Amino acid sequence: QQQVKQSPQSLIVQKGGISIINCAYENTAFDYFPWYQQFPGKGPALLIAIRPDVSEKKEGRFTISFNKSAKQFSLHIMDSQPGDSATYFCAASEETSGSRLTFGEGTQLTVNP
Amino acid sequence: DSGVTQTPKHLITATGQRVTLRCSPRSGDLSVYWYQQSLDQGLQFLIQYYNGEERAKGNILERFSAQQFPDLHSELNLSSLELGDSALYFCASSRRQGGETQYFGPGTRLLVL
Repeated sequence: QQQVKQSPQSLIVQKGGISIINCAYENTAFDYFPWYQQFPGKGPALLIAIRPDVSEKKEGRFTISFNKSAKQFSLHIMDSQPGDSATYFCAASEETSGSRLTFGEGTQLTVNP
Repeated sequence: DSGVTQTPKHLITATGQRVTLRCSPRSGDLSVYWYQQSLDQGLQFLIQYYNGEERAKGNILERFSAQQFPDLHSELNLSSLELGDSALYFCASSRRQGGETQYFGPGTRLLVL
């Protein structure tokens, strides 16, 4: 059972534009929502994370918006750059089950110069 | 560089064989997680160890086993390998049992012929 659904599967954005990736989850016990960035041949690297007690978190050009009632969260990349071209994964975990990460399907982002 | 090391980087073997993947967590991290990344299944949690003890189990096949040693490094053993086991295997580590950032290693790419 896929507990975290991610969309879109792929995204093409012009340099300087805004990239938006969305995720929806089912398990209301999830209490930690990270976003990971993965470049080809590399392991996933944490980008930004949020807990359900806040609705938004911003770090530089990256912002997570979190809607607890809708069980949705999204990643916004402002002023997207070609160097942001990578695969992005949303994830969720609950501390009581050992914090295994349940990942979304991934979004391949391409930022054109 | 996340501080998590994995060896080997690449592994090519035949069906029916057994392989061992090794992971060294970041200095001071007590939890080790194993994930499998394949094209059809995405990133899937396999198993977690915390300070030498199994903490959580995911969709890990019976042919697969893992352990964490007193020096906190971990090994993932894959036996009776099948073509479908070809994937990227990632190790991640975190400071405690969970609810915090997991740092991923560079992965081991396994190809079963």
